[in-house]
Amino acid sequence: GENVEQHPSTLSVQEGDSAVIKCTYSDSASNYFPWYKQELGKGPQLIIDIRSNVGEKKDQRIAVTLNKTAKHFSLHITETQPEDSAVYFCAASGSFQKLVFGTGTRLLVSP
Amino acid sequence: NAGVTQTPKFQVLKTGQSMTLQCAQDMNHNSMYWYRQDPGMGLRLIYYSASEGTTDKGEVPNGYNVSRLNKREFSLRLESAAPSQTSVYFCASSEGWGNEQFFGPGTRLTVL
Repeated sequence: GENVEQHPSTLSVQEGDSAVIKCTYSDSASNYFPWYKQELGKGPQLIIDIRSNVGEKKDQRIAVTLNKTAKHFSLHITETQPEDSAVYFCAASGSFQKLVFGTGTRLLVSP
Repeated sequence: NAGVTQTPKFQVLKTGQSMTLQCAQDMNHNSMYWYRQDPGMGLRLIYYSASEGTTDKGEVPNGYNVSRLNKREFSLRLESAAPSQTSVYFCASSEGWGNEQFFGPGTRLTVL
């Protein structure tokens, strides 16, 4: 089945810096790659997603890139703000179309 | 719209007790899911319902049962709780496979 690895597990940046979180997946048939943000005490919330027919997608300060050959995808957050502090999860939808999540990255943005 | 609602928010059980976690969505979604979240392990799929009237096992189904009561509601039952089932449980829904999943606020369960 699908296996998703996510790095780093924690990431500390200064406000205004960029943050990059990387994920790799194992199932070459995976075709949907969402990213979720989870704030303390809340459920995960989708922030951006990308499908296998697209290499890059942007939404304001957030971008996701996908390299299908290498089977990895990344989340890029520019001009980070304290409110970006949260846990971020990547996920991949494999052959059986079930979402498999990475283990999460705790992002801390210091003012 | 309330989105996805879950009850209860918190629960403490003793080993061997049973309970049902309730989930409802008001977005007319076809698919619903139950996940558990444990520290350092991300979210793992317990059971899912691709459409009303169907349920299937996910990655970690042992010790759980589910019921898709109607299109809105999807419940998760622990027949005989064990300490290993201490976790935060999330319900989610989506229009279908490959679509955004909307998550509820979670139920924090402790089994003593």
